[in-house]
Amino acid sequence: DGGITQSPKYLFRKEGQNVTLSCEQNLNHDAMYWYRQDPGQGLRLIYYSQIVNDFQKGDIAEGYSVSREKKESFPLTVTSAQKNPTAFYLCASSEGPRAYEQYFGPGTRLTVT
Amino acid sequence: KQEVTQIPAALSVPEGENLVLNCSFTDSAIYNLQWFRQDPGKGLTSLLLIQSSQREQTSGRLNASLDKSSGRSTLYIAASQPGDSATYLCAAAGNTPLVFGKGTRLSVIA
Repeated sequence: DGGITQSPKYLFRKEGQNVTLSCEQNLNHDAMYWYRQDPGQGLRLIYYSQIVNDFQKGDIAEGYSVSREKKESFPLTVTSAQKNPTAFYLCASSEGPRAYEQYFGPGTRLTVT
Repeated sequence: KQEVTQIPAALSVPEGENLVLNCSFTDSAIYNLQWFRQDPGKGLTSLLLIQSSQREQTSGRLNASLDKSSGRSTLYIAASQPGDSATYLCAAAGNTPLVFGKGTRLSVIA
């Protein structure tokens, strides 16, 4: 079954702790993306990667970090520097950048208290 | 900077009605426009993608149109059903990755 998996579905952390969200795809897509969604808001781009070992900041990259060591994996770390980390996080992938259709994972809801 | 707006923010219709959701974008230099569906607490499901050279795309009861010159796209849903209740988002792809609108929350009442 081809697709994008995100784990876990729900994640709880204490303030001041770093946390890493997993995103894996078996679609053989080159590009991968991380978005954040807050209630009543559209999706905002955190980071994206067009190819292995390369990634670019999106609109709201502060307090987040990523790596892209393998084509199928694009983990997102939410650091303690992120001032308001509680949100719904969505990972996506596409065959290539920009002109290609994006496919989304089921999301991870992160709650930090 | 691209901005995407969706009106209305929420819409409630009786079952069986045909309806139109609107999406506008400020920068007409786009590669494509994509429509998604999102159920509560879930990820996004791609519905239709219209390339910049196309005027419309159809899938079943859904038809999406694109008018780049006016910066508008519409999603037409025919014969709406309660199962169509969800939030519908549009997103424009240009020189940056997708820029999303805030969505239209649709409720179809049986």
